[in-house]
This record gives sequence, structure tokens and C-alpha cells, in this order.
Amino acid sequence: GNSVTQMEGPVTLSEEAFLTINCTYTATGYPSLFWYVQYPGEGLQLLLKATKADDKGSNKGFEATYRKETTSFHLEKGSVQVSDSAVYFCAPLRGSNYKLTFGKGTLLTVNP
Amino acid sequence: GAGVSQSPSNKVTEKGKDVELRCDPISGHTALYWYRQSLGQGLEFLIYFQGNSAPDKSGLPSDRFSAERTGGSVSTLTIQRTQQEDSAVYLCASSFIQGGGNTIYFGEGSWLTVV
Repeated sequence: GNSVTQMEGPVTLSEEAFLTINCTYTATGYPSLFWYVQYPGEGLQLLLKATKADDKGSNKGFEATYRKETTSFHLEKGSVQVSDSAVYFCAPLRGSNYKLTFGKGTLLTVNP
Repeated sequence: GAGVSQSPSNKVTEKGKDVELRCDPISGHTALYWYRQSLGQGLEFLIYFQGNSAPDKSGLPSDRFSAERTGGSVSTLTIQRTQQEDSAVYLCASSFIQGGGNTIYFGEGSWLTVV
């Protein structure tokens, strides 16, 4: 089955810093890949996705590229804001196409 | 509705009581999922519905947990004889699987505390 190794947090950055959160996965076949974000006290929100190799997902200034050769889907943002403080989850969607496998989550704190 | 709706948003119950958690998926979504999020365990898959049937209930932690879905829409997760280790956020999600693609949308969760 799928598994996910996600960069452990917590990650603390100053506003406008560059963000990278690493994510690598193991999977049979070619899963779709997702990043979800969870703001304090809220549920999971879909941040971005990529469905095939070399696809780049992007949203709210965040980007991640589906790298089949390295089985990675690292999340990046060029300039973080305080409002980006949240927990970020990487998740491949298994080949049978219905079950997300979540990483442990990375807590990001952005200080003004 | 516009998004996945869950109720109650917060529930405090006494150990040994039964609880029911409700999920109203996005209109038209045929797939529905329950996940559990707790401090020690992260996000755990519980059960998956396609229509009213549950082809995968492998994540239900014990026979105290059950779920049903009716009319291809609303789902109820029931926990009988609650224990303190059941305290967690229970997240419902839904999706429409089409052409090999599937994007899953989550509700705000039901925060369960067993005292």
C-alpha cells in the first residue's frame, strides 16, 4: 500500500521567508498527489493537487511538482505570511482511487 | 450544500454512553469517507462508502464503531459504549469519482471528548 514520509516539524519562519516542506511517498502505480492544510480549529482544506508525473499543482502562492523519478511532492512558497500558519499534510491517493494516505503533518508557524 | 457539513461540531459525552455523528456530503458526491484525527495517531481512515454500501470498513477500530449511509447521501457514524481513547476529531469527506480522477473534500469535523 501507500506510505508517506513528510518533513517533521515544527517549522518556524519569519514573514516573507521561503518555505519548503518535503514529502516523499511509496506507492504502487502512479497515485494522484495532494496537499491539504488545516488551520487552527478547522477541518482539512484541499490546498493543491497533481494527477500525473511532472504536473505542478498551485494555489495561494504554494506550488508542488509531481516528481515520479524521486517519488516526491515537495511543497514550496516563495514568501510566507502569518496567515499561512497551519498544519500541512501530504497525501497520495492509492491506485484503487479512493483512499488517501496521510503523512503525519507539518506544523508551520510564521512570525511577523 | 456548498460543502461537507458535520454535526455536532463539538460533543462531550460520558464514558459508556453512545454517540452519533452526522455527515451531510456535497450534493451529488457518491463517495463518502470517515477519518479520525487524534494527537497520537494522526489521520486514520475509518470507512468508505460508495453509494449506500461500504466496500471498505477496514479502519473501524472495534465493533463498537459502526456507520451507515442512506439515500446515497447522509451518513451517521455511531460509537457505542464510548471510551476515553475515542476522544478525537471525526472528519467526514466526500467526492465524486470520475474518469479515474478523485478529489476529496473534508468537513470541519466533529470534536468528540469522552470524560
